[in-house]
Amino acid sequence: GQNIDQPTEMTATEGAIVQINCTYQTSGFNGLFWYQQHAGEAPTFLSYNVLDGLEEKGRFSSFLSRSKGYSYLLLKELQMKDSASYLCAVVDSNYQLIWGAGTKLIIKP
Amino acid sequence: GAVVSQHPSRVICKSGTSVKIECRSLDFQATTMFWYRQFPKQSLMLMATSNEGSKATYEQGVEKDKFLINHASLTLSTLTVTSAHPEDSSFYICSADRGQGITEAFFGQGTRLTVV
Repeated sequence: GQNIDQPTEMTATEGAIVQINCTYQTSGFNGLFWYQQHAGEAPTFLSYNVLDGLEEKGRFSSFLSRSKGYSYLLLKELQMKDSASYLCAVVDSNYQLIWGAGTKLIIKP
Repeated sequence: GAVVSQHPSRVICKSGTSVKIECRSLDFQATTMFWYRQFPKQSLMLMATSNEGSKATYEQGVEKDKFLINHASLTLSTLTVTSAHPEDSSFYICSADRGQGITEAFFGQGTRLTVV
């Protein structure tokens, strides 16, 4: 079966750095997305990785290792508005998005 | 970025009635639209894939006669929840892609459906 694992919840302090991990076992791999979702709202796009390595975009960076079936989202200089759920999604061999359950990130002052 | 508009954002209806949710791609033609359902604290669950001009492809366990999907044009897909029941109360989200290889999913704002 296809499976994507993320921690259910994480807590971090304002101004700090947090890393949200995502491991996957899917039938094929055609890329991995990270989305941010605030409560009651639709997800918004953060990043897309298809090659190994680190992609940096402002305060957010995303890393991918295809051989390990592993990705992480790194958030720096955390702000209160970063409190949200972060969803990992993998594009499988059928070009369908397989979604993780999301990681709820709680930022404390 | 591309814009997908979903309407209404919130709806409350009585049991037994039907509710229609619209999903429009405002600045691009969406060959494929996706309908998701999301329960509290859970991830998105794909309900169906909607292709313009053809019947929708429903995921296993999703009743096609209850969740009617119509993709009448390249910019509009609708989801109708028929004979709604309280257990249909959920957050419904549509997304669309441009059909040009793998791209990010562009999401509508979502619809909070409450059936009373």
